[in-house]
This record gives sequence, C-alpha cells and structure tokens, in this order.
Amino acid sequence: AQKVTQAQTEISVVEKEDVTLDCVYETRDTTYYLFWYKQPPSGELVFLIRRNSFDEQNEISGRYSWNFQKSTSSFNFTITASQVVDSAVYFCAVNTGGFKTIFGAGTRLFVKA
Amino acid sequence: KAGVTQTPRYLIKTRGQQVTLSCSPISGHRSVSWYQQTPGQGLQFLFEYFSETQRNKGNFPGRFSGRQFSNSRSEMNVSTLELGDSALYLCASSLSTGTNTEAFFGQGTRLTVV
Repeated sequence: AQKVTQAQTEISVVEKEDVTLDCVYETRDTTYYLFWYKQPPSGELVFLIRRNSFDEQNEISGRYSWNFQKSTSSFNFTITASQVVDSAVYFCAVNTGGFKTIFGAGTRLFVKA
Repeated sequence: KAGVTQTPRYLIKTRGQQVTLSCSPISGHRSVSWYQQTPGQGLQFLFEYFSETQRNKGNFPGRFSGRQFSNSRSEMNVSTLELGDSALYLCASSLSTGTNTEAFFGQGTRLTVV
C-alpha cells in the first residue's frame, strides 16, 4: 500500500525567509509518480509538479525547488524568499497507476508580512 | 479555457437525506475523479470515471455512488447522509486516465450535514 507522510502540520515564517516542506512516501512499486499541490483558501488544488520515479533530477521553477531522493523516499519542496501569497496548505501525493492518488495530510504554511 | 466547475459550492443537508453533486470537467477532458477532504481523514479518493465507466473506487461505503455522462460531466450521490459526510468534495479532470496526465481540480463543494 502507498502512504505519504508530511510530518510538519503547520509552519510559520516571516516573508522573505526560505522554507522547506518535507514529504516522505512509501510504495512497493518501482514505477510511481510524485506530486505537490497547493490548496489556497479558495479550496481548489493547484498542481505544482509531477515527478516520476525514474527521474531523480532536482527541479527549480522560479522560487520553487524540489529535491527528490529515492534512497530516503523523500520529495521535499523548498520555497525561496517566501511571500504572503504562498500561504496555503501544501499536499504531497503519490500515484502508482490509474487515478487513485494517495495524498499526505498536508502542511499549512503561514507567511507573515 | 474554463476550468473544472463544481456545483453547488455550498450545501447544507439534514441527516438521512441524499445529495447530488455535479462536476463539469474541462472541455475535452474525459477522466473525472472525486475526492473527499475532511480535517480528520485528509484527502481521500472516492472514485474515477473515464468514458462513462468507473475505473477505480476508493474505500467508501455503497452510500457513495457516481456516474459520468456522455459529455464527460459527472455526478456523485450520497444517500442516507451522516454527520461524518460533512466535507469538501473535490472533483478533478484530466485528458485521460493514468498517471501521465495532469489533473485539474475544481474549487469543491462544501457539504455540511446537520
């Protein structure tokens, strides 16, 4: 069975600080996809990134970066120079086929001005 | 291009009643999936439909059902509502089924059962 653990329930930072959201996943499958989603107060889930299990390259997109380490089953997400608009709940998820994506419990990020 | 539309946005129902939620996917998308989000259980997969057929189902009782129409619009139905069914119900659509396609989520329907 798949499982995603986001140990940080809530994180509070001051604007311009860097922040890392941790994600540890469990799966017995060798082929899987990892995701990060952002859920602003409006409720919808906003797709941020998808990474397949064979691609361990780190990725940077603007102020966002992701560190995928298969050896530790981690897929951490870093926001550089955080902004108030980054305040949201962030979900890490894993999918091993079909459309049954397993989500972590989420990390609520507060960015204070 | 319009996003995923879920209606209604908010709903209050009484225990024992039934409810139907609607999801209109992005034009051209054929796969629709439903998730339940509660503070206690987080985001849980309900079911997925592709081309009017249910492809995957989560661990929910039979009171939860769904269907997809030929235009890809989907509805989910919950019968004999319980207080614990209070949740944000999210719908996601994608071009096809499988992991290699990006899913787009709607804003959800917040259901409150009293």
